Amino acid sequence: SYVLTQPPSVSVAPGQTARITCGENKIGTKSVHWYQQKPGQAPVLVVYDDSARPSGIPERFSGSNSGNTATLTVSRVEAGDEADYFCQVWDSSGDHPVFGGGTKLTVL
Amino acid sequence: EVQLVQSGAEVKKPGESLKISCKGSGYSFTSYWIGWVRQMPGKGLEWMGSIFPGDSDTRYSPSFQGQVTISADKSISTAYLQWSTLKASDTAMFYCARRESEDFDYWGQGTLVTVSS
Repeated sequence: SYVLTQPPSVSVAPGQTARITCGENKIGTKSVHWYQQKPGQAPVLVVYDDSARPSGIPERFSGSNSGNTATLTVSRVEAGDEADYFCQVWDSSGDHPVFGGGTKLTVL
Repeated sequence: EVQLVQSGAEVKKPGESLKISCKGSGYSFTSYWIGWVRQMPGKGLEWMGSIFPGDSDTRYSPSFQGQVTISADKSISTAYLQWSTLKASDTAMFYCARRESEDFDYWGQGTLVTVSS
């Protein structure tokens, strides 16, 4: 069973780059998906299949996945990017999704 | 436009039953799995289970098996999550979401369930 480890918080100044990690043994062999959840709102898919973006998601959001770590990168961070971010993979053996614990992105 | 619209907030007492809903539109409701996700106050996302409305195939997380029932009425494009006996610890926000391959591409707005005596 997968346990996805995310840092509880990441802080970054406006205009800088935020990197949020998601760790698990051999996660590079899985497809990783990322969700953004702003306060009081439902989650929104921002990256799927490691690095693809749904329509309407800014190019500032990008993803990578290799080895034991997947990373969501938010470039040129804006105040509106302040949110919780969750990673997710599919556990094929149990046929169910697994979510990371979430990372709160704070824009200083 | 794909939409999942959930029923409104509920306030219930321990021991009561409850059924909340999630109505899909803008796509073929019978062709995609619908998942239910719990978010307790200030906490992360937990998958509870999923249903394929086309044939009502249902899967549950071991953590929620026997605690809730997931169902669907494809004639009205609606999925349900129900409890027969609520506990205070069921207080949470509940989301439905459409499963696209291995991710959830569209989410409902959430239903807040408060269980308090």
